[in-house]
Amino acid sequence: QKEVEQDPGPLSVPEGAIVSLNCTYSNSAFQYFMWYRQYSRKGPELLMYTYSSGNKEDGRFTAQVDKSSKYISLFIRDSQPSDSATYLCAGGSNYKLTFGKGTLLTVNP
Amino acid sequence: GAVVSQHPSWVICKSGTSVKIECRSLDFQATTMFWYRQFPKQSLMLMATSNEGSKATYEQGVEKDKFLINHASLTLSTLTVTSAHPEDSSFYICSAHGGRTSGGTDTQYFGPGTRLTVL
Repeated sequence: QKEVEQDPGPLSVPEGAIVSLNCTYSNSAFQYFMWYRQYSRKGPELLMYTYSSGNKEDGRFTAQVDKSSKYISLFIRDSQPSDSATYLCAGGSNYKLTFGKGTLLTVNP
Repeated sequence: GAVVSQHPSWVICKSGTSVKIECRSLDFQATTMFWYRQFPKQSLMLMATSNEGSKATYEQGVEKDKFLINHASLTLSTLTVTSAHPEDSSFYICSAHGGRTSGGTDTQYFGPGTRLTVL
């Protein structure tokens, strides 16, 4: 079993939709969790980070962590075509990050 | 925000040659940098952790003699792919440790990546 599992999609939604991206993890040693956005042929861009169970909101983005079920989510409200990218979740401990495969999201105008 | 650059952004080389990729943190100092490899439609796979002034720590299965890492200063790490072969063709991405948040999260900021094609 991989340490971080993520549905690769692809996921296609209309503009304005609420998007839900999900990951599960198996490593109990993860101390914090990250969401990155990666455009085609570019490096990942840090979107959000969380270190405890619960929700964290930043503009249109909400990151959710449930450590009891080892489940992490990213919600995007009022999705825009510019949100079209691959979204990577990651668990971290002792400086190291372990990434999921990424979910390819397309927001159609 | 923290900016990390990589050079070159893409490179094509002949089999058997060596290629050097540079990773720089432009507006902050990074005692720790990371090198990842990403194949198409795959996740980022950590290759090695690079600490300024000391030897890099390689992940299991990564040949340290083939992927030479040097972290000579707090803003520069280099990855040299020695005697490159077609199977080394990939997207190589570096990241720099951006410090620890008040909540204890270690942030990493990524470079734009280098696409290596070995003919």
